[in-house]
Amino acid sequence: KAGVTQTPRYLIKTRGQQVTLSCSPISGHRSVSWYQQTPGQGLQFLFEYFSETQRNKGNFPGRFSGRQFSNSRSEMNVSTLELGDSALYLCASSLPSAYNEQFFGPGTRLTVL
Amino acid sequence: DQQVKQNSPSLSVQEGRISILNCDYTNSMFDYFLWYKKYPAEGPTFLISISSIKDKNEDGRFTVFLNKSAKHLSLHIVPSQPGDSAVYFCAATHNNYQLIWGAGTKLIIKP
Repeated sequence: KAGVTQTPRYLIKTRGQQVTLSCSPISGHRSVSWYQQTPGQGLQFLFEYFSETQRNKGNFPGRFSGRQFSNSRSEMNVSTLELGDSALYLCASSLPSAYNEQFFGPGTRLTVL
Repeated sequence: DQQVKQNSPSLSVQEGRISILNCDYTNSMFDYFLWYKKYPAEGPTFLISISSIKDKNEDGRFTVFLNKSAKHLSLHIVPSQPGDSAVYFCAATHNNYQLIWGAGTKLIIKP
């Protein structure tokens, strides 16, 4: 069974630009969560989608948004990029009944210059 | 407010010895705890978990201990192997709601 895939793996943008990251979950997984990881901060929860609906949301500004498609693939968008948005963005998928045990993709490393 | 804390950013252990990684939490409502392991350039992978109704869970070389009164859990790895060198994250959840993560501890196994 293929794992969680994320594209692109690396991205360099400049301040003020916007970016879209993509995540394809494991087949059969309908829950997709997004996290931001920065050094020393652990994983900060952005949001979770289930059946095309945002089910949970973390404490991030409205510049961070996401969506999920009918095939469970998910995208995350960050508008008006700031230097502090430089981070590793991780996507995780899970079965609806096993939200606790999440399977992660390799992440997208975003650098904002 | 950090509800899950891993106070040691790094830990160095001799190969073959026991590695003990610690995690403290503040929310007494947490009912499920997990440990994940992360190698560079990869996403975290699930390692072991424990429900709040238990105080110990064992899986091969990995054992997680939960002390609810102290709001503390620990991960023991015995014996430690070079492939165990990674960053370990502790996470907690209540009622299957979102996972709350610690900042991680980098474990270095010395040959």
